[in-house]
Amino acid sequence: GAVVSQHPSWVICKSGTSVKIECRSLDFQATTMFWYRQFPKQSLMLMATSNEGSKATYEQGVEKDKFLINHASLTLSTLTVTSAHPEDSSFYICSARGSTEKLFFGSGTQLSVL
Amino acid sequence: DAKTTQPNSMESNEEEPVHLPCNHSTISGTDYIHWYRQLPSQGPEYVIHGLTSNVNNRMASLAIAEDRKSSTLILHRATLRDAAVYYCILRSSNTGKLIFGQGTTLQVKP
Repeated sequence: GAVVSQHPSWVICKSGTSVKIECRSLDFQATTMFWYRQFPKQSLMLMATSNEGSKATYEQGVEKDKFLINHASLTLSTLTVTSAHPEDSSFYICSARGSTEKLFFGSGTQLSVL
Repeated sequence: DAKTTQPNSMESNEEEPVHLPCNHSTISGTDYIHWYRQLPSQGPEYVIHGLTSNVNNRMASLAIAEDRKSSTLILHRATLRDAAVYYCILRSSNTGKLIFGQGTTLQVKP
C-alpha cells in the first residue's frame, strides 16, 4: 500500500527556536497534503491544506506566519513551527492524497517545546 | 463541512463481529464516507470508504443506509489488534478536506 513517511518522529526544542517537520509520499504523487495537530486524548484538528506549487490554505484560528507550510514537489511537504513555545507542544500528523479517494497518514511527530 | 456523530466508546469480545455506527444526517450528495482508525501515538490508518453502495475490503465492510444519513463499519471478527479509536469522516468533494470528529474508542476483550 501507499506509504507516507514523516520525520522526525519526535523532537525536543528550546522555546524560541524553529522546528521543521517533513512529510514525504514514498510511492505516489501527492497532489494534496494536509497537516493536523492532536493534543492528548483529543481528536485530530486540521491545520492547513496544501496543494503542490501553491500556497497553503489555513483553517480558521491557525496562524500562517507561525506554521509555515511548503509543498514544493509532488512528494514533499514541510511544516515549520517558527519561534516555538511550550503551548505548541503537540502531536503533528501529515497526510497525503494522490489520485485515489484514500488518504494516507504519516506516523506523526511529537513536538515538545521546553 | 458536514459532521458525523459516533458513540464515544464500544466494547467487543475477541473473535466476535463488531458494528460501529455513524450518523451523518447533513451529508451532501457528493460527500464520501471515510473510516480511519488510530492507535495511540500513531497516525491514523485508512480502513474503508464509500459513496452510496456497500463496500467490502480485507479489513472491514461498510454498510451505507439508503438515504446515506448513516453508515456502519463492520469488523467481521474482532481481534485484540483492532482495539483503536475509529473515526467516521465525511470528505467533501468541494473542499477535499477530512474533518475528524471525536471517534469511537473500541475495546476488545480477550
